[in-house]
Amino acid sequence: EDQVTQSPEALRLQEGESSSLNCSYTVSGLRGLFWYRQDPGKGPEFLFTLYSAGEEKEKERLKATLTKKESFLHITAPKPEDSATYLCAVQGDSNYQLIWGAGTKLIIKP
Amino acid sequence: EAGVAQSPRYKIIEKRQSVAFWCNPISGHATLYWYQQILGQGPKLLIQFQNNGVVDDSQLPKDRFSAERLKGVDSTLKIQPAKLEDSAVYLCASSFQKYPLSTDTQYFGPGTRLTVL
Repeated sequence: EDQVTQSPEALRLQEGESSSLNCSYTVSGLRGLFWYRQDPGKGPEFLFTLYSAGEEKEKERLKATLTKKESFLHITAPKPEDSATYLCAVQGDSNYQLIWGAGTKLIIKP
Repeated sequence: EAGVAQSPRYKIIEKRQSVAFWCNPISGHATLYWYQQILGQGPKLLIQFQNNGVVDDSQLPKDRFSAERLKGVDSTLKIQPAKLEDSAVYLCASSFQKYPLSTDTQYFGPGTRLTVL
């Protein structure tokens, strides 16, 4: 069964304190792994798509990496405006649905 | 480019009442999705349309939920009658995706927060 687990559930950091969020997945034949950001009261906002192990993508203070079993979202020198819930989703060969994790709630304190 | 539009943004109803949500996808997007997101969880797919045909409604509680996408553009999701456990955010998303098995980015609307009392 396709499954996505995100950790930690919540992460509190000081402004400027770099860290990483984890997305572990089991899927038969990865077609794509997606990272989204969700602010309170809003819909998820697309960040990255990764397709194969070894791939990396960057956007401002965020960098997403992918291995055969997990993906990391690295946050470098975060600012309070980076506070949000970060969601990970995968699409596999057996099912075209996106399988979503529960998200990591990131809080950046000034 | 205009994003995915949804209305209403908030709705409060009594249990056993009915409610409807509306979604207008990004222009040119063939695929439209309705998701249910319960607080603290990831989105759960309810139904996926390709143009005006249903691709997947396996997780739609068909005894109370219905959805349609007339003319392959706007869509409406209805709940009748509502239960307490239907309290959630209902998200609409769309993608350019021309084929069900292709991998394409989904773009989300702001959602409708439903509270069932």
